[in-house]
Amino acid sequence: GAVVSQHPSRVICKSGTSVKIECRSLDFQATTMFWYRQFPKQSLMLMATSNEGSKATYEQGVEKDKFLINHASLTLSTLTVTSAHPEDSSFYICSARETTSGGNEQFFGPGTRLTVL
Amino acid sequence: LAKTTQPISMDSYEGQEVNITCSHNNIATNDYITWYQQFPSQGPRFIIQGYKTKVTNEVASLFIPADRKSSTLSLPRVSLSDTAVYYCLVVGGGFKTIFGAGTRLFVKA
Repeated sequence: GAVVSQHPSRVICKSGTSVKIECRSLDFQATTMFWYRQFPKQSLMLMATSNEGSKATYEQGVEKDKFLINHASLTLSTLTVTSAHPEDSSFYICSARETTSGGNEQFFGPGTRLTVL
Repeated sequence: LAKTTQPISMDSYEGQEVNITCSHNNIATNDYITWYQQFPSQGPRFIIQGYKTKVTNEVASLFIPADRKSSTLSLPRVSLSDTAVYYCLVVGGGFKTIFGAGTRLFVKA
């Protein structure tokens, strides 16, 4: 299957700093990528839908000025957590849908563990 | 978006067949049913996807009745390494994917 990578896999930062997480589709082009957040023992919560060349669509309750999403190319989307605080500590997962083959399968990255001190 | 309902948790023993049922009463005509597996601190892994009847691959089978209002993921002869959370999702072409609570499967020796 198609591969989605994330970088970094783990990051620890101080409160008030910004952190950028990269999501790449390695062997396919993805016009749409999704960003999720997952707290311990909970399900994945969709944060936003990232569309190549246009603004991201955020889910209700997700601050777009805090979670900046950029989808500059067909293989890369980035999520920047601005002015991070301890409550932003979570597991962030991206995914991409491979549609060129006519399928409907969504591939997920390995996740990024963010810890804000 | 079609909402899904699954059992919160299930227990099984090694070597047994495990069937996890998911209900999706308001599934739309162009929606597919997809199952994912997730281990702690990892991204979800695709297991199987189907539209109707039965789909089988090397790891699982997916049974979908004619009305498509439910589906059953069947894992043959589970092992300890199959302990994970299993998510049933209904995905309609190009639209966002919303996760339900999932089913925590615990396989015992």
